Amino acid sequence: NAGVTQTPKFRILKIGQSMTLQCTQDMNHNYMYWYRQDPGMGLKLIYYSVGAGITDKGEVPNGYNVSRSTTEDFPLRLELAAPSQTSVYFCASKAEWDYNEQFFGPGTRLTVL
Amino acid sequence: AQRVTQPEKLLSVFKGAPVELKCNYSYSGSPELFWYVQYSRQRLQLLLRHISRESIKGFTADLNKGETSFHLKKPFAQEEDSAMYYCALSNTGGFKTIFGAGTRLFVKA
Repeated sequence: NAGVTQTPKFRILKIGQSMTLQCTQDMNHNYMYWYRQDPGMGLKLIYYSVGAGITDKGEVPNGYNVSRSTTEDFPLRLELAAPSQTSVYFCASKAEWDYNEQFFGPGTRLTVL
Repeated sequence: AQRVTQPEKLLSVFKGAPVELKCNYSYSGSPELFWYVQYSRQRLQLLLRHISRESIKGFTADLNKGETSFHLKKPFAQEEDSAMYYCALSNTGGFKTIFGAGTRLFVKA
């Protein structure tokens, strides 16, 4: 049981490039999340999904897109990378009933130069 | 609007001293509140949730609806408690969670 896995661990992008951050969970969780963690700013919710085919915006969705074609996978797409997107990105998943904890991936450290 | 406020970015205490990490929230319904912790080089993980009323690693947190607070407390801090602590609030139904900015706890020997 690997839990939540993310790839890549690190990436450097040039301004204007695009990339997809991968997230997979093997716990059959319906709820999945993408956060970014900026220094001193805590975690900000980018997008979330309550099940396959259903996604919604969080606090800071601009510049990102997501899809959820399967229960397991929740990729985050960056189009036209900007320096403001330099951050650590965390994927998380949760079972759908109340008070359940979120399980986090190890994070992807992205630098946009 | 939902909001979680952790007023201290950094809290430094000596080993054996009491510690209190503050968390205040703003939410119009009945919130679900959590504390998450991130130790150095480890994943963010759940420490405790208000509904369980449990003590984990000596930490407790009481939900005070009148003061809209959910402060995390431990009577005697240990060096291994040094970590980043996040207070989090979920909406009713629990599908969306808002995190505070975090407090870095540093326990000195």
